[in-house]
Amino acid sequence: DTGVSQDPRHKITKRGQNVTFRCDPISEHNRLYWYRQTLGQGPEFLTYFQNEAQLEKSRLLSDRFSAERPKGSFSTLEIQRTEQGDSAMYLCASSLGQGADGYTFGSGTRLTVV
Amino acid sequence: AQSVAQPEDQVNVAEGNPLTVKCTYSVSGNPYLFWYVQYPNRGLQFLLKYITGDNLVKGSYGFEAEFNKSQTSFHLKKPSALVSDSALYFCAVISNRDDKIIFGKGTRLHILP
Repeated sequence: DTGVSQDPRHKITKRGQNVTFRCDPISEHNRLYWYRQTLGQGPEFLTYFQNEAQLEKSRLLSDRFSAERPKGSFSTLEIQRTEQGDSAMYLCASSLGQGADGYTFGSGTRLTVV
Repeated sequence: AQSVAQPEDQVNVAEGNPLTVKCTYSVSGNPYLFWYVQYPNRGLQFLLKYITGDNLVKGSYGFEAEFNKSQTSFHLKKPSALVSDSALYFCAVISNRDDKIIFGKGTRLHILP
């Protein structure tokens, strides 16, 4: 296991289209997090899972956003009807337990909405 | 609510000089503190953490950070900067009462040759 993998690395889409990103965490990590990072800002929390259960969603996560982790392993983040304001780096991270040891981040998916 | 402040958007240091990147935090409960580094178009890489114990923690690439409870600070330091240290640095905090890490807005470190 080489760490947290995210796919794709880059995505360019037209406004109004739907996009889906995938994250494969470190296999023994039971927690998985999604963050969004815009230019000049730190990562902002979106949502997290413990195993397959989605335990918290940020107010940043509008109803156009949905995340799943169906088998407690990989996760998907879908954005429907994309808007230009959705353009950002979407980061996935995983941890064993609460995260006192820190998170391991993937390289991110950079979304550009044109 | 948890929060992290990095008061400097950018820090410039000459190669070979010591560097400090500042961070203050606010949490309810006991803090767990982290520093991460980000290179262009990459995810975040873990540098070091403070959970408990010795206030001075040592991490990757010669970096260290000092936890100061009275000042609620966790400044990142390195005795002698390298040009390759140039990157974006994030301070982060989680409390023992919460379930997610909160990040500062980042400080861009420029090491001048």
